[in-house]
Amino acid sequence: SQTIHQWPATLVQPVGSPLSLECTVEGTSNPNLYWYRQAAGRGLQLLFYSVGIGQISSEVPQNLSASRPQDRQFILSSKKLLLSDSGFYLCACDHLYNEQFFGPGTRLTVL
Amino acid sequence: GNSVTQMEGPVTLSEEAFLTINCTYTATGYPSLFWYVQYPGEGLQLLLKATKADDKGSNKGFEATYRKETTSFHLEKGSVQVSDSAVYFCALREMDSSYKLIFGSGTRLLVRP
Repeated sequence: SQTIHQWPATLVQPVGSPLSLECTVEGTSNPNLYWYRQAAGRGLQLLFYSVGIGQISSEVPQNLSASRPQDRQFILSSKKLLLSDSGFYLCACDHLYNEQFFGPGTRLTVL
Repeated sequence: GNSVTQMEGPVTLSEEAFLTINCTYTATGYPSLFWYVQYPGEGLQLLLKATKADDKGSNKGFEATYRKETTSFHLEKGSVQVSDSAVYFCALREMDSSYKLIFGSGTRLLVRP
């Protein structure tokens, strides 16, 4: 079964600083990959998904971007963080559109 | 568009009480339905799923039945434990070209000893 790694686990960044969150997947090939954000006490918002290397679909216009340089690597980035970017970021994967598996998440606090 | 509606929480129960968390959905086709659980500070874990009408998903004492006539997928457990305290998310996946998961807003469950 697949295992999803995310790092860092927690991050505190000042407003205006850059961001890079990394997600890697083990135990499967050609996965679909997803980035979600969960604001405090709220549900999940899909940010990006990818069905293959270099293929990124954005769900919500914002100052974040995503990249998939390798089959099992998914990166979430920002050039300049906003206070509203604070939240819990979850990476997920599935294969052939079966159930999604989630990583442990990264808690981002923007001050 | 597709959507999932869950009852608002928190739901507070005593240990060994019966649990129901309501979930209804709106979908244009024939979605698969899921319940995920999120323990504090962790990611989401799949709890159970159902892929067609009248299917019953079950796991760890939790059950949910896919009711097409009422567009519902309510989560139930006969006797909750303190360790069940978590946030529960209902979700659907429309089996069309998008294949995206649509989540409900989540329901927090607190179980007191």
